[in-house]
Amino acid sequence: DQQVKQNSPSLSVQEGRISILNCDYTNSMFDYFLWYKKYPAEGPTFLISISSIKDKNEDGRFTVFLNKSAKHLSLHIVPSQPGDSAVYFCAASATNTNAGKSTFGDGTTLTVKP
Amino acid sequence: DVKVTQSSRYLVKRTGEKVFLECVQDMDHENMFWYRQDPGLGLRLIYFSYDVKMKEKGDIPEGYSVSREKKERFSLILESASTNQTSMYLCASSFGTGSRDTQYFGPGTRLTVL
Repeated sequence: DQQVKQNSPSLSVQEGRISILNCDYTNSMFDYFLWYKKYPAEGPTFLISISSIKDKNEDGRFTVFLNKSAKHLSLHIVPSQPGDSAVYFCAASATNTNAGKSTFGDGTTLTVKP
Repeated sequence: DVKVTQSSRYLVKRTGEKVFLECVQDMDHENMFWYRQDPGLGLRLIYFSYDVKMKEKGDIPEGYSVSREKKERFSLILESASTNQTSMYLCASSFGTGSRDTQYFGPGTRLTVL
């Protein structure tokens, strides 16, 4: 039972356009959501997060939207740059979970073409 | 800056060998995690630890064990390596027990079992 799903394995966009990466979850106990970015041969790095009490969080070119009723979140990158090409993982966690354990999605590989 | 280091970037072992993967973090984090990353399967949690000598099974603990004798070090042990354990192994750490804690990842160890 996969609790966090990223249904698009890959996404390709043109430089300067918007990239939208999607993530769905099934566990209603999740109350905190994170996006990580991973370049080849490196570990994932934290990108942006959102608490369930919010529906939007913005950090520069990156915005995460949360729709709790639909159990859906999305990451918007505007404008997309070639350096954004990476694998993006959505992760979710629940309060009172031991060690703040997160559940990760399968990842979406973003390619931004110059 | 948090630094998570892993003992090897690349490792080649033979079926049946005992394999040790070491992870060290330098920020006095309480929690440490071991994941494996496989194409199309994302990041899957093997084991995690929220304190010295404490460990909990993740989603796929079979065939693995862990050791945390010191706060900064978390070891993953493959008692008898098998070819289906060929994978990228990622170690991570996080500060406390809250669900909002960002995980910091090491660069990964690419393990090949022949």
